[in-house]
Amino acid sequence: QKEVEQNSGPLSVPEGAIASLNCTYSDRGSQSFFWYRQYSGKSPELIMFIYSNGDKEDGRFTAQLNKASQYVSLLIRDSQPSDSATYLCAVSPRTSYGKLTFGQGTILTVHP
Amino acid sequence: DAGVTQSPTHLIKTRGQQVTLRCSPKSGHDTVSWYQQALGQGPQFIFQYYEEEERQRGNFPDRFSGHQFPNYSSELNVNALLLGDSALYLCASSTPRRGRDTQYFGPGTRLTVL
Repeated sequence: QKEVEQNSGPLSVPEGAIASLNCTYSDRGSQSFFWYRQYSGKSPELIMFIYSNGDKEDGRFTAQLNKASQYVSLLIRDSQPSDSATYLCAVSPRTSYGKLTFGQGTILTVHP
Repeated sequence: DAGVTQSPTHLIKTRGQQVTLRCSPKSGHDTVSWYQQALGQGPQFIFQYYEEEERQRGNFPDRFSGHQFPNYSSELNVNALLLGDSALYLCASSTPRRGRDTQYFGPGTRLTVL
């Protein structure tokens, strides 16, 4: 079992729709959870972090964390073509403070 | 406020050579982490430096080594390059506090080994 797994892509949504990106992790003791956006040929850009169970909203982005189910998700409302990118889920395990373990990424395409 | 910077942007080497990559952290950050990202994959943790010492290391061979300077900047050295070392090398900086380590990435160095 991979330490961090993301829903297989690519994911294609129409402009204005809600994009839902999912991630599961294996280490039940994980403390911190991050979503990065990576445009083709660029480096990852931090867009959300979440530490506690529940929802965290920032503009059009909502991160959701359920530690009991070992599940974290990212919702993008009113998706725009500029949201088209690879989205990386990252987890900081309790036993390896500071190390981020990434999923393989989900490619999102928002079409006009 | 300058973000994380890395140099060089691109690098082409041949097998067996050695390479040094450089990173300057974001202003106010004291911790530097290095990652390797192969095409189509998520970044893989190489190691993290704090107070000029390697604090954590991922599953990479000893050919990968690093250093952190008193001004918090860092270098990644890779010896005896292999074709499989071709990747995007990412530096991330942070200031871990109270168990939280939010890392911000630099633009990366694209290494090609021929």
